[in-house]
Amino acid sequence: EMELTQLPGTLSLFPGERATLSCRASQSVSNNFLAWYQQRPGQSPRLLIYGASDRATGIPDRFSGSGSGTDFTLTISRLESEDFAVYYCQQYGTSPLTFGQGTKVEIK
Amino acid sequence: HLQLQESGPGLVKPSETLSLTCSVSGDSMNNSRYYWGWVRQSPGTGLEWIGNVFYFGIPYYNPSLKSRVTISIDTSKNQFSLTLNSVTAADTAVYFCARFWGYCSSANCYGNFDSWGQGALVTVSS
Repeated sequence: EMELTQLPGTLSLFPGERATLSCRASQSVSNNFLAWYQQRPGQSPRLLIYGASDRATGIPDRFSGSGSGTDFTLTISRLESEDFAVYYCQQYGTSPLTFGQGTKVEIK
Repeated sequence: HLQLQESGPGLVKPSETLSLTCSVSGDSMNNSRYYWGWVRQSPGTGLEWIGNVFYFGIPYYNPSLKSRVTISIDTSKNQFSLTLNSVTAADTAVYFCARFWGYCSSANCYGNFDSWGQGALVTVSS
């Protein structure tokens, strides 16, 4: 199965700063079928991005996704208080579906 | 407004069967645009896809769990269910039900989860 490695494990930033999260796949992700989720403490994951760069319904435009092949990035342009959470990537180009281990974005 | 809610025992003994039900409101499960799935989360293995089911009952499973998993659907009750046999401590996790947006064919699934339940913690212990 395809492995997804997320870096860094933890990102410490101030509100208002830019966050850049990385997701690297063990093989090329077909059709850039890569999604990103946000999980706040005690909550379930929320779909942010699908198809590597398309925002899901209701997701603010400060969230953007990019990348192709094996390297993908989630960028949060200006961190707001509710953005401090754990972020997961998920590939769906190859079955079985797999998730990365997550990047925690914490307040510095 | 779509809502999903997991229910079932929070404690299961080793070697026994884990059973959970997901109740769906705010959308008809007969909507052919979607599948319905289960994902679990544990500190050790992170998020793990368990399997999906389509509205007319065809299931699709993660090969790593396929020998122990059954997912079924009852559209008349707007519910779908998960059973996992022969559980061990490694099956201790929060189990989420979710709506899957994508497609499945030939035992494989391609898509993502656009709505999730709040999750149900299941502990395997004697």
